[in-house]
Amino acid sequence: DIQMTQSPSSLSASVGDRVTIICRASQGIGNDLGWYQQKPGKAPQRLIYAASSLQSGVPSRFSGSGSGTEFTLTISSLQPEDFATYYCLQHNTLWTFGQGTKVEIK
Amino acid sequence: EVQLVESGGGLVKPGGSLRLSCAASGFTLSYAWMSWVRQAPGKGLEWVGRMRSKTDGGTTDYAAPVKGRFTISRDDSKNTLYLQMNSLKIEDTAVYYCAYRPFWGQGTLVTVSS
Repeated sequence: DIQMTQSPSSLSASVGDRVTIICRASQGIGNDLGWYQQKPGKAPQRLIYAASSLQSGVPSRFSGSGSGTEFTLTISSLQPEDFATYYCLQHNTLWTFGQGTKVEIK
Repeated sequence: EVQLVESGGGLVKPGGSLRLSCAASGFTLSYAWMSWVRQAPGKGLEWVGRMRSKTDGGTTDYAAPVKGRFTISRDDSKNTLYLQMNSLKIEDTAVYYCAYRPFWGQGTLVTVSS
């Protein structure tokens, strides 16, 4: 099974900050990775697919990079509506989610 | 417009069974790879299983914790996906989502408790 290690598990940041979240895969997955945002009581919403492609309708302050085993989600300038939990998801072999990163207000 | 609507959740005793439904609209279910994902209260997302499209054989895969107890099926005439859950355990308590590409349903809560 492919394991996804996501870090950090939580972070505190201010509006306007640049935020980076990392996911590492236990083996190479090419670019078969997506990033999701989840707010309390809501279903996850996909932000990024194929590691670096922006989902339609998602603000351009979100970006993804990486391939193989290391991936990054970057929020260039954190906005109030971005405080949420973020998950990576690999779909190269079955599906595996990262443990999640809760982004909180500093 | 793609829509996924889950239903069938509720309270069930340990060892019991429940069948969840995921009614799809805006696309043809039989052509899609569909997944079930769950989220225990206060926890992260966990993949449960998937069904391949009809053209890819319609076969299924399951996560280790549910293999042998859960079964995914599909009714093409109703454009609906199912998750049959048997021998339920307390640790199966979660919100269950069906997912297709970037589209997710709103989820249905399953509570396993005596």
